[in-house]
Amino acid sequence: AQKITQTQPGMFVQEKEAVTLDCTYDTSDPSYGLFWYKQPSSGEMIFLIYQGSYDQQNATEGRYSLNFQKARKSANLVISASQLGDSAMYFCAMREVTSGTYKYIFGTGTRLKVLA
Amino acid sequence: GAVVSQHPSWVICKSGTSVKIECRSLDFQATTMFWYRQFPKQSLMLMATSNEGSKATYEQGVEKDKFLINHASLTLSTLTVTSAHPEDSSFYICSAPGEQYFGPGTRLTVT
Repeated sequence: AQKITQTQPGMFVQEKEAVTLDCTYDTSDPSYGLFWYKQPSSGEMIFLIYQGSYDQQNATEGRYSLNFQKARKSANLVISASQLGDSAMYFCAMREVTSGTYKYIFGTGTRLKVLA
Repeated sequence: GAVVSQHPSWVICKSGTSVKIECRSLDFQATTMFWYRQFPKQSLMLMATSNEGSKATYEQGVEKDKFLINHASLTLSTLTVTSAHPEDSSFYICSAPGEQYFGPGTRLTVT
């Protein structure tokens, strides 16, 4: 079974508008972390935002916010006021502990295109 | 903040040769490093976890004799692709745990 599911292979958004990228996860571990990364065409992975499973409030980092709905096991990324430079691949990832070691699992990604 | 570097950033090699990729933590010590492989238009797949002073832990389906990992020091982990073949062509990325800082990646092309 997929542990991290990103159902949107591609998304378009008009410049200056907000966009939501979906991510659902599956784990039986009570302690886990959720991450979002941006990967531009250069290939580098850019860390955007983190949400811990015990965090009471949704994480925010500038124009990025994470809509964390624990009961639904979803961790959607919201990008406000989209910019042309936001065009990239976006990956949702989960960190879980397996046999005492961390393991990170990535979703299949969503390609975002911001339109001028 | 923490910085992870990789060298080389890209490499082209002939089929049958070996290629070594270095991953360095520049301003912190890392007892663990993660190695990922990313095929074009696909996600990152964890290959193995390198551990300083002990053997690497490989994910299921990853050939440990083909992908040699050595965590030589607290700031250096290396991945050697032995007897490379065209199907090994991929983007290889290392990262440190904690805040999950990634190296810039190494694009390997095997001809």
